[in-house]
Amino acid sequence: QSALTQPASVSGSPGQSITISCSGTSSDVGLYDLVSWYQEHPGRAPKLLIHDVTMRPSGVSSRFSGSKFGSTASLTISGLLSEDEAVYYCCAFGRSSWVFGGGTTLTVL
Amino acid sequence: QLQVQEPGPGLVRPSETLSLTCSVSSPSIASSGHYWGWIRLPPGKPLEWIGSVSYSGSAFYTPSLKSRLTLSVDTSKNQFSLKLTSVTAADTAFYYCATHHWQPHENYFGSWSQGTLVTVSS
Repeated sequence: QSALTQPASVSGSPGQSITISCSGTSSDVGLYDLVSWYQEHPGRAPKLLIHDVTMRPSGVSSRFSGSKFGSTASLTISGLLSEDEAVYYCCAFGRSSWVFGGGTTLTVL
Repeated sequence: QLQVQEPGPGLVRPSETLSLTCSVSSPSIASSGHYWGWIRLPPGKPLEWIGSVSYSGSAFYTPSLKSRLTLSVDTSKNQFSLKLTSVTAADTAFYYCATHHWQPHENYFGSWSQGTLVTVSS
């Protein structure tokens, strides 16, 4: 099962919006609405941001939103803050397995 | 809160068995309605789902590891465990345990442990 494809890095200035893409296939991202997104700061446990493509758990800022079109899912972060600087991972289900993306490092300039 | 415990110094010899336990402070594993999962991050590679197990011991494994992997639950200790046999250098990774919600409209890894590095080397 190949990993989902994410850009290695993205950057933005405080207050701006950025979007991280997560490209899969018709057998995973494109087949099920089972995409989730996680944020990981160095030395800390990963944190759930979005599940089932668009659902945001209680306690997660409304600045984080998810979407999907075809076999590509996206995470949008609006109103960038310095604390958003982290690594972001997407995850989806396909071919009897949960598969993750390679991770995207977000730099807040 | 979840915490990975590894009985040794984080070093496993090639061909031997890697054993990890995840201790859960709350909630009770026996009363949870979700699965308990393992994920790993090999150096320079993407996160990889290893498998997930329910409180009753029903387990799902990623196909590539299924032949070497056993997941189990000890409700009396509120822990769940992973055993991976015949390890090679490719099994070197940070290992995480997490709650795994796997039901309609609730599909995600919720609470994660911090990663624990396990190195396979002679």
